[in-house]
Order: sequence, then structure tokens, then C-alpha cells
Amino acid sequence: SQELEQSPQSLIVQEGKNLTINCTSSKTLYGLYWYKQKYGEGLIFLMMLQKGGEEKSHEKITAKLDEKKQQSSLHITASQPSHAGIYLCGAGNTGNQFYFGTGTSLTVIP
Amino acid sequence: KAGVTQTPRYLIKTRGQQVTLSCSPISGHRSVSWYQQTPGQGLQFLFEYFSETQRNKGNFPGRFSGRQFSNSRSEMNVSTLELGDSALYLCASSSQDRAGYTFGSGTRLTVV
Repeated sequence: SQELEQSPQSLIVQEGKNLTINCTSSKTLYGLYWYKQKYGEGLIFLMMLQKGGEEKSHEKITAKLDEKKQQSSLHITASQPSHAGIYLCGAGNTGNQFYFGTGTSLTVIP
Repeated sequence: KAGVTQTPRYLIKTRGQQVTLSCSPISGHRSVSWYQQTPGQGLQFLFEYFSETQRNKGNFPGRFSGRQFSNSRSEMNVSTLELGDSALYLCASSSQDRAGYTFGSGTRLTVV
């Protein structure tokens, strides 16, 4: 089965600081999704990366995909309390199943 | 357009009972996937339906079943509930090409 390992597992940062979350796959990536989840709520789609080297940005969040390393990174610039939550990466495999990463809990201290 | 709608939002059931959860996908989406989220196991894939057919299934016991109707709405059923079934159940819909998955807010099931 495909495994997506995220690091760090949790992160506490001061408001205004930059941070990076990594997602590493044990198998070839066929697209990589990033989601954000507030505790006990559904997932909010952030962005999807399909091609190696692809980089996408939305507001202060930037994600990159490195196909060779089978890795994606999510970078938040000038973090705000509204960025707090659990960040999950997800990917599909050739078996048409969708897997999620282990999750990264982000706390932003005002 | 309306998002993915899951009902009910919260549910409390007793061990041994059965439960049915509902998911209405985004209009035009024909694929519906179900996931279970628990603190210990994280998010796990249950199954996916496409055009009323189960297209894929995760590693869950037969007590977990689902179906999809002609209007793409999907239901998930759990029979003989166990305490360990307490979880947040999420469904997601996607278009045929799986270009993106949109999730509902989830149903929080508590088994007592």
C-alpha cells in the first residue's frame, strides 16, 4: 500500500513566521493534494499538484512537487492564527485508492 | 454551486445497533468516496462508488457497506456497531477524471 509520511508531526510557530511541511511518498506519485482540516470538521481543499516541478500558490501558501524525490512541500509565509489546523497531503495510486498522509498539526501563537 | 452535504452531522448509537449515513455529492460529480477518521488511525479509505458501482474498497470488515443511487447520492451503512467505530466519517465527491476531491463536513458518530 502507498504510504505518505508527513513531517513534522506538529508545529508551533509565532505569528508572522514562515514554516514548511513535507510529505514523502513510499511509491511513485500520480498527483498530490493538500488539504487543511479544522478539528472535527471536514477537509478543505488547498491545491493539487500534478507534474514534477509544479509549484502552486494560494494567498500565502505555496506547494511544490518533486517527483524524483517523491516528495511535496507546503510552505506558509508570514503565518497567521487563521492558518492553524491540521494539514494533510493525499494521493491516489494505480489501484484507484486515495491515501492520506499522517497529518501535521499547526498551531500559530498570536 | 452547493458543496458536498453529509447528514446527519452528529449521531449517537448504542453498541450492536446499525447506522446509515448519507452523502450528497456536488452536482455533476459521479464519484463518491467514504473515509473514516480516528485519532489513532488517522484518515482511512473505506470505499468508492462511481455510477452506482463500488469501484474500490479499503480494508474494513463486511459490517461496513455502502451504495450509490442513480442521482449519485451515496449511503454508508455500519451494522452491529462497536465502540471502535466511533469516528468522524467523511465523504468526498469528484468528477470522472478525479481532478480534485471535495469533502463534506463529516458525520461524527459516537458509539456508547
